[in-house]
Amino acid sequence: DAMVIQNPRYQVTQFGKPVTLSCSQTLNHNVMYWYQQKSSQAPKLLFHYYDKDFNNEADTPDNFQSRRPNTSFCFLDIRSPGLGDAAMYLCATSTPGSNEQYFGPGTRLTVT
Amino acid sequence: GEDVEQSLFLSVREGDSSVINCTYTDSSSTYLYWYKQEPGAGLQLLTYIFSNMDMKQDQRLTVLLNKKDKHLSLRIADTQTGDSAIYFCAETYGGATNKLIFGTGTLLAVQP
Repeated sequence: DAMVIQNPRYQVTQFGKPVTLSCSQTLNHNVMYWYQQKSSQAPKLLFHYYDKDFNNEADTPDNFQSRRPNTSFCFLDIRSPGLGDAAMYLCATSTPGSNEQYFGPGTRLTVT
Repeated sequence: GEDVEQSLFLSVREGDSSVINCTYTDSSSTYLYWYKQEPGAGLQLLTYIFSNMDMKQDQRLTVLLNKKDKHLSLRIADTQTGDSAIYFCAETYGGATNKLIFGTGTLLAVQP
């Protein structure tokens, strides 16, 4: 089945140790998104790619970066994780003009 | 930024109807959505409504949209214990890339 896959589902990292979260899709969608969802809060958009064009939200910290080497994969890099970066990170995809976003199951990041 | 607000908690008995409410601020949103999130899981799109519609029914789900008051609601008929989850409304912004702003989420607890 076509889907959005996130690996790993659970990630533990140490304070200040760089970590990379992975997202892949078999939907061949042009647009990929990364959302951060802290405990008991709404998901918040960090950035998105439209094909290879990267679009950062204005309030996304510099500590967060992303790479999209091809249509299928997108990575979220956290350069120096702080305790406040512990959250669920959700990847989603869509096609331009579509009214639907397809979400992956998320990666729960713990920072120790 | 735009704020999308929901009540935090709703408790109903199994078999009753549930009504979850949402107020939004961006009158230019093309689509408005309802997502369901079960514990530890990603977001599941339940239904959406185009901004020029007042109502949409999809099996047990009924969405009502009052554009004048910027009010969106989701009615779940014959609520089941499996409907227990957090429900997020969301509105679009950002044109073709269909970025979403999520509401604060409503925890629906269904009592047997």
